[in-house]
Amino acid sequence: DAKTTQPPSMDCAEGRAANLPCNHSTISGNEYVYWYRQIHSQGPQYIIHGLKNNETNEMASLIITEDRKSSTLILPHATLRDTAVYYCIVRGSSRGKLIFGQGTELSVKP
Amino acid sequence: SQTIHQWPATLVQPVGSPLSLECTVEGTSNPNLYWYRQAAGRGLQLLFYSVGIGQISSEVPQNLSASRPQDRQFILSSKKLLLSDSGFYLCAWGRNTEAFFGQGTRLTVV
Repeated sequence: DAKTTQPPSMDCAEGRAANLPCNHSTISGNEYVYWYRQIHSQGPQYIIHGLKNNETNEMASLIITEDRKSSTLILPHATLRDTAVYYCIVRGSSRGKLIFGQGTELSVKP
Repeated sequence: SQTIHQWPATLVQPVGSPLSLECTVEGTSNPNLYWYRQAAGRGLQLLFYSVGIGQISSEVPQNLSASRPQDRQFILSSKKLLLSDSGFYLCAWGRNTEAFFGQGTRLTVV
């Protein structure tokens, strides 16, 4: 599975969009990009995933560049409850391992 | 709907004592199962994963072992705990595109 690189921390004002970047320059054609988040002392929570098209659900939007070497998770209107560590993961087959990096610690401030 | 049960929530064990953490999944069959550990202030480290009964892959050499005696049961064990085994242990199950985590066990070895 390809490695991902994320900034260690980011701040965002409440009500504004939070844009969390992820680099995955060694991603291969059959690998998906997944995003999870972990609120303090809880298990990680699935957010969204995509292959090459942009994706949107009730939680977030995922923008994947055309060359698939990077992606951005967008929380359109961040709230204080969105403060968490956000993990970007690249994963091959559905039976593949789920390897977490260090993630980005997002702090949403009032 | 699918649910994952992990217990106990917290555990304090002396050095050299055995360990057994159990995880069970309901509402699905033949899931991928995972054990992760998170040391204080660190990211999630994949310890073991299993794609079927009796099929266990170990990701890192360590003082722990895992077993999958039934399709939806995953057990993490140790014969003799070390201080370095302290951490937050998370069980997860996965299907085609997502993984779902239990609430974790906070283990303190004293």
